[in-house]
Amino acid sequence: GQNIDQPTEMTATEGAIVQINCTYQTSGFNGLFWYQQHAGEAPTFLSYNVLDGLEEKGRFSSFLSRSKGYSYLLLKELQMKDSASYLCVPWGGSSNTGKLIFGQGTTLQVKP
Amino acid sequence: SAVISQKPSRDICQRGTSLTIQCQVDSQVTMMFWYRQQPGQSLTLIATANQGSEATYESGFVIDKFPISRPNLTFSTLTVSNMSPEDSSIYLCSVSVHTGELFFGEGSRLTVL
Repeated sequence: GQNIDQPTEMTATEGAIVQINCTYQTSGFNGLFWYQQHAGEAPTFLSYNVLDGLEEKGRFSSFLSRSKGYSYLLLKELQMKDSASYLCVPWGGSSNTGKLIFGQGTTLQVKP
Repeated sequence: SAVISQKPSRDICQRGTSLTIQCQVDSQVTMMFWYRQQPGQSLTLIATANQGSEATYESGFVIDKFPISRPNLTFSTLTVSNMSPEDSSIYLCSVSVHTGELFFGEGSRLTVL
């Protein structure tokens, strides 16, 4: 089984920094994905964390603590186009079923 | 990476009819999945499309309602059978590379009247 806990909605101001937290419980863990989904579009890949620590990729960074079952996505210098849903998705690995099970995600609204 | 072509992109169908959605990938991939996204909801996995064998369905989804074919490593179809308005949704084909990252098609927006 799998359980993912993220805030349902968040609001932030253009130019600011926002952190989206995620806690998870899952049987079998290989790594954790973050996806972004704009309304009416398919999800797009943001990051994948396997090891503990922070991975930085431009304005977006993702952190993982395997022992705590915890991750966060950090968005800096927010832009209006960052308004979207952000999905935290733990993955059991290709030797498992390979499938990704998505939760409800966090809907982020960026205001001017 | 993988480029996925999905069609139709949208369709309006009558209750009781069936619609087949096609998914074509530009490279051979091991794993293909079909998801559904109902209005205001997140993605729900329907099934894993297995090449040369029956698909593996998630709880709540059955082969009679959502028959899936996967004749080779680059192509799959999902049929939504005997449609009702509750089947109005976006259906997404996705493929996984060995790292687990999922690539999605553009989706097929289905409206059932």
